[in-house]
Amino acid sequence: KAGVTQTPRYLIKTRGQQVTLSCSPISGHRSVSWYQQTPGQGLQFLFEYFSETQRNKGNFPGRFSGRQFSNSRSEMNVSTLELGDSALYLCASSLDPGKETQYFGPGTRLLVL
Amino acid sequence: QKEVEQDPGPLSVPEGAIVSLNCTYSNSAFQYFMWYRQYSRKGPELLMYTYSSGNKEDGRFTAQVDKSSKYISLFIRDSQPSDSATYLCAFDRGSTLGRLYFGRGTQLTVWP
Repeated sequence: KAGVTQTPRYLIKTRGQQVTLSCSPISGHRSVSWYQQTPGQGLQFLFEYFSETQRNKGNFPGRFSGRQFSNSRSEMNVSTLELGDSALYLCASSLDPGKETQYFGPGTRLLVL
Repeated sequence: QKEVEQDPGPLSVPEGAIVSLNCTYSNSAFQYFMWYRQYSRKGPELLMYTYSSGNKEDGRFTAQVDKSSKYISLFIRDSQPSDSATYLCAFDRGSTLGRLYFGRGTQLTVWP
């Protein structure tokens, strides 16, 4: 069974631009969570989607948004990029949140210049 | 007090050593306990997943949970250079909201 896939793997943007990252969960998984990983803060939860609904959101500004499609694929968007948004963005999928654990993709490494 | 505390290391051991990695937590609502391994520039990979106090063994890896002390450990026996990675402890409240709480990670190097 294929794992979680994320595209693109690497991105370079400049301040003020916006970016869209994509995540395809493991087949059959309906929950998708997004995390930001930085050396200073570690892994921080962004948001979680289940059946196209955002059910939980971490403590990030409104510039960070996401959505989930009917096939469970998810996208996250960051608008008006700041230097501090440079990070590894990880997507994780789960069959049944609260009963099964999460499996991570390889991440998208974003560099904001 | 942070919800999860994990010593970032770095930890450096010779091949064949027994490695002990630890996390403490303060949130009594945590019901599921996990260890992830993350190689450089890769996503975290699930190593161990447990929900009860006690030990769970999988090959060279043993996860230990002590809910009364709010303390979890991961032991690696006969460590190999391929075990060199960052190890992250993670916790789940068991709700349906899909959020995991992570430690900062311990960087481990196993030298030949």
